[in-house]
Amino acid sequence: DIQLTQSPSFLSASVGDRVTITCRASQGISSYLAWYQQKPGKAPKLLIYSASTLQSGVPSRFRGSGSGTEFTLTISSLQPEDFATYYCQLLNSYPRSFGQGTKLEVK
Amino acid sequence: QVQLVQSGAEVKKPGASVKVSCKASGYTFTRYDVSWVRQAPGQGLEWMGWISTYNGNTNYAENLQGRLSLTRDTSTSTAYMELRSLTSDDTGVYYCARDRRPPDGFDIWGQGTMINVSS
Repeated sequence: DIQLTQSPSFLSASVGDRVTITCRASQGISSYLAWYQQKPGKAPKLLIYSASTLQSGVPSRFRGSGSGTEFTLTISSLQPEDFATYYCQLLNSYPRSFGQGTKLEVK
Repeated sequence: QVQLVQSGAEVKKPGASVKVSCKASGYTFTRYDVSWVRQAPGQGLEWMGWISTYNGNTNYAENLQGRLSLTRDTSTSTAYMELRSLTSDDTGVYYCARDRRPPDGFDIWGQGTMINVSS
């Protein structure tokens, strides 16, 4: 099975900061990666698919990049509503694993 | 609007089974597949399995093989998740999600169903 490892697991930042979360795959997965945002008590929300395509309605401050084994999610200027937990997910094979998550907290 | 509505919370004894429904509306059910994801309290997301709404084909996480059954009823646009031989480790929130073809993300999620396994 392909494993996804996110870093960091926890990230403290302030409104207006630029932050980057990394997701590494244990083997090459081309661009078959998605990113989700989850807030407490809510279902996850799809942000990015195919590694870099912004889901409809998602603000342009979210940007995904990468291919192969290394991927990044960048938030260019943090807004108060962006403090949440972020997950990457494998799309092209089973099991469709998730990374362990990155909790983005207010500094 | 496009939505997935899940059945309500359940409390089960160890060894019991649970069946959760996920009713789709606002789109053609058989044009998208359904995946199930669970989340233990305070933990991350765990993919459980996938079902093709078109032909009923399934794929299950290895750790749930033998205990998990995913089915669908196209006449009612409803997907079902049944988990047997429950233990306390199965306690958590269970989500259904619309799974696009070709696979490029889960774009619509149900509201989640809390399953509490306790003696």
